[in-house]
Amino acid sequence: GAGVSQSPRYKVAKRGQDVALRCDPISGHVSLFWYQQALGQGPEFLTYFQNEAQLDKSGLPSDRFFAERPEGSVSTLKIQRTQQEDSAVYLCASSFFPQGAGNTIYFGEGSWLTVV
Amino acid sequence: GESVGLHLPTLSVQEGDNSIINCAYSNSASDYFIWYKQESGKGPQFIIDIRSNMDKRQGQRVTVLLNKTVKHLSLQIAATQPGDSAVYFCAENGGGAQKLVFGQGTRLTINP
Repeated sequence: GAGVSQSPRYKVAKRGQDVALRCDPISGHVSLFWYQQALGQGPEFLTYFQNEAQLDKSGLPSDRFFAERPEGSVSTLKIQRTQQEDSAVYLCASSFFPQGAGNTIYFGEGSWLTVV
Repeated sequence: GESVGLHLPTLSVQEGDNSIINCAYSNSASDYFIWYKQESGKGPQFIIDIRSNMDKRQGQRVTVLLNKTVKHLSLQIAATQPGDSAVYFCAENGGGAQKLVFGQGTRLTINP
């Protein structure tokens, strides 16, 4: 596609509910990232994939957060037993090369999660 | 820990004036820096980047300056337009790491 596509754009979840957020990166992009952005803050790193391999998950805040990219393209971020502090915008980003090369990272529009 | 911050949380300029948005970073190992623009309800949009072997890079109406001595980054926007209103984030890669570290952001407001 023309850009990074995320769905759903908006999600309201009841506390305790599981949610799944989908990311379609730019076609052919090797690197895929998930970031979390709280209101009024800058994005914070959650996890990084190079193709299907999850090389860094140091930013995932708890074991309720899980991400996968089984075929090296589409990725899903899953949050189990959602809590109010999980309310944020979840941004997916991709880049053509593996990271470390300083190549441009393109972001999607984000999935806005509100936990009530 | 490493952090990237901004000197001013808000900046208000007159339409047509030049804007300068500043950023301080603390990780001396960072070798790649990016400026993003984020409009309300949208994801961050890439504006311009610069590698540590450069001290200046120009794009269309934008210039990024890097001062490694004082670990300072700035974004200059020439002839600011209403469409430039947004929050601007600087980010750095911590010396080749897979993750970008973002600053808190500066909200740029254009006065007519």
